[in-house]
Amino acid sequence: AQKVTQAQTEISVVEKEDVTLDCVYETRDTTYYLFWYKQPPSGELVFLIRRNSFDEQNEISGRYSWNFQKSTSSFNFTITASQVVDSAVYFCALSERTGNTPLVFGKGTRLSVIA
Amino acid sequence: KAGVTQTPRYLIKTRGQQVTLSCSPISGHRSVSWYQQTPGQGLQFLFEYFSETQRNKGNFPGRFSGRQFSNSRSEMNVSTLELGDSALYLCASRWTSGGQETQYFGPGTRLLVL
Repeated sequence: AQKVTQAQTEISVVEKEDVTLDCVYETRDTTYYLFWYKQPPSGELVFLIRRNSFDEQNEISGRYSWNFQKSTSSFNFTITASQVVDSAVYFCALSERTGNTPLVFGKGTRLSVIA
Repeated sequence: KAGVTQTPRYLIKTRGQQVTLSCSPISGHRSVSWYQQTPGQGLQFLFEYFSETQRNKGNFPGRFSGRQFSNSRSEMNVSTLELGDSALYLCASRWTSGGQETQYFGPGTRLLVL
């Protein structure tokens, strides 16, 4: 069965600090996708990044970067130089490629960036 | 391209009533999924429709049903509403290409059952 664990319930940082959100996943499938979504107070889930299980290259996109490690089943997400607008709930999610499976979400991490 | 749209954005109903929510996916996307978000249970998958057929179903009672039309728009229906059905209902449109896929979400419908 699939499972996503976000151990950090809430994080509070001061503006311009870097912050890393942790995500650990479980799956039996060998091919899967990992995602990070942002949910601001408005409620909409905003897609941020996707990583395929067969591509462990870590990337940077603007202020966002991610660290995907299959060996530890982790998919951590870092925001560099945080801003107040980054305040939101961040969800890590997993879907297995086989069978067009739905997204399985973690419980989310509430990030508060203080000016 | 327009994003995923959901109507209505807010709803207030009373126990025992039924409700219908609507979702229009991103143009060209044929898959629509529905998720329920509550503070206690988090984000849970309800069902997915692809080309007017239900492809996957989550663990929800039969009071929750859905359908998809030929233009890919989807509706979700909840009958005999219970207080516990109060939630944010999110619709997602699935993009698939060359082995890659991503689900894009709409703004959600906030349902309050009194």
